[in-house]
Amino acid sequence: QVQLVQSGAEVKKPGSSVKVSCKASGGTFSTYPVSWLRQAPGQGLEWVGWILPIFGTANYAQKFQGRVTITADKSTNTVYMELSGLRSEDTALYYCARAKTETTVVEYFQLWGQGTLVTVSS
Amino acid sequence: DIQMTQSPSTLSASVRDRVTITCRASRSISSWVAWYQQKPGKAPKLLIYKASSLESGVPSRFSGSGSGTEFTLTINGLQPDDFASYYCQQYNTNSPAFGQGTKVEIK
Repeated sequence: QVQLVQSGAEVKKPGSSVKVSCKASGGTFSTYPVSWLRQAPGQGLEWVGWILPIFGTANYAQKFQGRVTITADKSTNTVYMELSGLRSEDTALYYCARAKTETTVVEYFQLWGQGTLVTVSS
Repeated sequence: DIQMTQSPSTLSASVRDRVTITCRASRSISSWVAWYQQKPGKAPKLLIYKASSLESGVPSRFSGSGSGTEFTLTINGLQPDDFASYYCQQYNTNSPAFGQGTKVEIK
């Protein structure tokens, strides 16, 4: 049974960067696309971007282009999301989520991490 | 980008009620819609994919329908465990988008 375990909460200053990890345990990982999504306090879900670990190819929502980098380390079954130029509006719970099928397109999300709270505050 | 408009934003219902939530896409997305349930402090849980396919382990009181631009999630016989928020998501393009969510509250 694959599980996604994310790194712990972060508190960052405006203008800085944060790097959040998502480690898969218990099964195949690299052939499934993994996305990052976020949820601001009391708000809905927003897709940030995704990566296909086996190829290392990533794609980002236009809103985050130039500020986000998603990478994967196949040797440790870990996907990372780095967000730079942080502002208060980036305060949110960040989730990694894996697709249900071994596809090369973004689809829906069957498996979710527990979430990582990123707080941006001066 | 495709926008998903979900309604209502809040819904008050009683146990055993039939509940319907609607999502409208800004343009046709065939059947590329998923539905999720989210409880406070928890990650979303996949309920339905491809508009009407029930995810394994999800109770049969949940069902999805629709195609093109209009989609519905129906809960037949609301149970205490179903009071939560629900989100639709389109995946017709490589930029998935969610509806704003519907909170199902106890009446």
